[in-house]
Amino acid sequence: GNSVTQMEGPVTLSEEAFLTINCTYTATGYPSLFWYVQYPGEGLQLLLKATKADDKGSNKGFEATYRKETTSFHLEKGSVQVSDSAVYFCALSGGTYKYIFGTGTRLKVLA
Amino acid sequence: GAVVSQHPSRVICKSGTSVKIECRSLDFQATTMFWYRQFPKKSLMLMATSNEGSKATYEQGVEKDKFLINHASLTLSTLTVTSAHPEDSSFYICSALDSGSSYEQYFGPGTRLTVT
Repeated sequence: GNSVTQMEGPVTLSEEAFLTINCTYTATGYPSLFWYVQYPGEGLQLLLKATKADDKGSNKGFEATYRKETTSFHLEKGSVQVSDSAVYFCALSGGTYKYIFGTGTRLKVLA
Repeated sequence: GAVVSQHPSRVICKSGTSVKIECRSLDFQATTMFWYRQFPKKSLMLMATSNEGSKATYEQGVEKDKFLINHASLTLSTLTVTSAHPEDSSFYICSALDSGSSYEQYFGPGTRLTVT
């Protein structure tokens, strides 16, 4: 079945550091891929998405490229801020519109 | 963007009572909504798919008599936790599928349930 594997956290970075959160997936067909962010005590907010191979999703300085050859969708940001501290979830959606989520990666950015 | 609301945002109830959580799509119609449960510092677990006008589809291991789902209109789905026990304490999140245009899921802000 479909699955998402996300790097274990927590990730602790200094402000302005480069961020990479790895995400790989297993799926049949051509799923859509997503990154969601969850701030403390809140629900999930869509950060970015990509719907086909080689698509690059981007938002608020975050980027991720849909790599079919490596079945990956790694999240990157060139310079993180304290306000980026949150939990980040990688997810995929196949033909049934059900989402499969990774386990989440907690990011803590220190001033 | 599309907005999904949940009510209440927090609820505390006594063991043995039932609690109803509402999920509303505010500016689009959703024939399909999803209910998730999130344990502390864990990922989201899909509990069930709520279909307007028909019975919900539950994921394996989720008790349908424990977690009653009603999708009475194109903008409202409710989750009722019946005879709640402390182990039901969790963060419950709904999402609504925008079938009108993007087929994208929009998530509610979540409901924190504490059973004492």
